[in-house]
Amino acid sequence: QQQVKQSPQSLIVQKGGIPIINCAYENTAFDYFPWYQQFPGKGPALLIAIRPDVSEKKEGRFTISFNKSAKQFSLHIMDSQPGDSATYFCAARSSSNTGKLIFGQGTTLQVKP
Amino acid sequence: NAGVTQTPKFQVLKTGQSMTLQCAQDMNHEYMSWYRQDPGMGLRLIHYSVGAGITDQGEVPNGYNVSRSTTEDFPLRLLSAAPSQTSVYFCASRRGGGLVVQYFGPGTRLLVL
Repeated sequence: QQQVKQSPQSLIVQKGGIPIINCAYENTAFDYFPWYQQFPGKGPALLIAIRPDVSEKKEGRFTISFNKSAKQFSLHIMDSQPGDSATYFCAARSSSNTGKLIFGQGTTLQVKP
Repeated sequence: NAGVTQTPKFQVLKTGQSMTLQCAQDMNHEYMSWYRQDPGMGLRLIHYSVGAGITDQGEVPNGYNVSRSTTEDFPLRLLSAAPSQTSVYFCASRRGGGLVVQYFGPGTRLLVL
């Protein structure tokens, strides 16, 4: 049973477009919601993260929108570039002392020149 | 500072063989985790550890064993490999507490015939 559900599975946009990746969670005992970026043949790397007491966080061209009541959060990439082509994972961290990090299914993004 | 290292990078096993995937980190992180990455399934947590001598199961622990005798090392053992364990395996580490970054290793690609 996937505790964090991510969509879409794949996404193709033109350069300059704004891809949006969505995630939903069921467990309310999550206290931290990071997004990871993974390039082919590499391990995932932290991109941006948000706490549930904040509705939006922006870092450069990347923005997280968070809707606590709907238990949903999303990643927006402004002015997307071909170099943004990668797999993106949302995640949620358990607020228990184990701090387990549970990931979504991943979204493969292709930005066409 | 090498970060999180994993060996081997690639391994082919026959069904029923055993092997150990090595993971080491030089950042003195308390938390270490093992994930497997499969197409359409995202990153699924296999086992994790919150400190030396302490381990616990993740989402998909069956067929895998772990131990944590030192802070630096967190090996993953496959006792009797099965084709269903064909996957890419990632080790990760982070500090305890707060909104911290989880660092991933480069991955081990495992093929079980």
